[in-house]
Amino acid sequence: QVQLHESGPGLVKPSGTLSLTCAVSGGSISSSNWWSWVRQPPGKGLEWVGEVNHGGSTNYNPSLKSRVTISVDKSKNQFSLKLTSVTAADTAVYYCARGALEGFLDYWGQGTLVIVSS
Amino acid sequence: DIQMTQSPATLSASVGDRVTITCRASQSISSWLAWYQQKPGKAPKLLIYKASSLESGVPSRFSGSGSGTEFTLTISSLQPDDFATYYCQQYDSYKTFGQGTKVEIK
Repeated sequence: QVQLHESGPGLVKPSGTLSLTCAVSGGSISSSNWWSWVRQPPGKGLEWVGEVNHGGSTNYNPSLKSRVTISVDKSKNQFSLKLTSVTAADTAVYYCARGALEGFLDYWGQGTLVIVSS
Repeated sequence: DIQMTQSPATLSASVGDRVTITCRASQSISSWLAWYQQKPGKAPKLLIYKASSLESGVPSRFSGSGSGTEFTLTISSLQPDDFATYYCQQYDSYKTFGQGTKVEIK
């Protein structure tokens, strides 16, 4: 059973960089899957942030593309998210998820809340 | 960018009711559509993929249909555990979620 677990600071200052890591267990990040980040502002809907594959290829939400970097670390079986120049609008629960070969998201982490505040 | 529009935003229903949620895509996505259920404080759970394929372990009262730009999620007989928020998601071009439909107790 694949499991994903997000970790990282729960508080980030405005204009700073949000950095999160997703550790994958029960499966290899070097498989043919894509690995996604999805976020959810408090009380609002889901927003796809972007994805990476084991080779380091990425796809990003066009609305966030200028500020997002997603990378993979095969040696640690994990992938990471960096979001720069954050504002209060980036406050959200951030989920990592596995993309099945077809593209839907079949395994999700439990989510981690990141608050942007001074 | 492909936009996904769900309706209704909120749905009030009773246990045993048949419930239908609609999702429309701004352009054709063939059958590349998934449905998720989310309960408060929890991660979304995959219910349906490829518009009508039931994920393993999901009760058969859930079903999906549609192709192109119009899709539906149907719960044939609403159960107490089904009160939640439901999201559609296209994966034809990158990924986009609908805004969600909250199913609440009538």
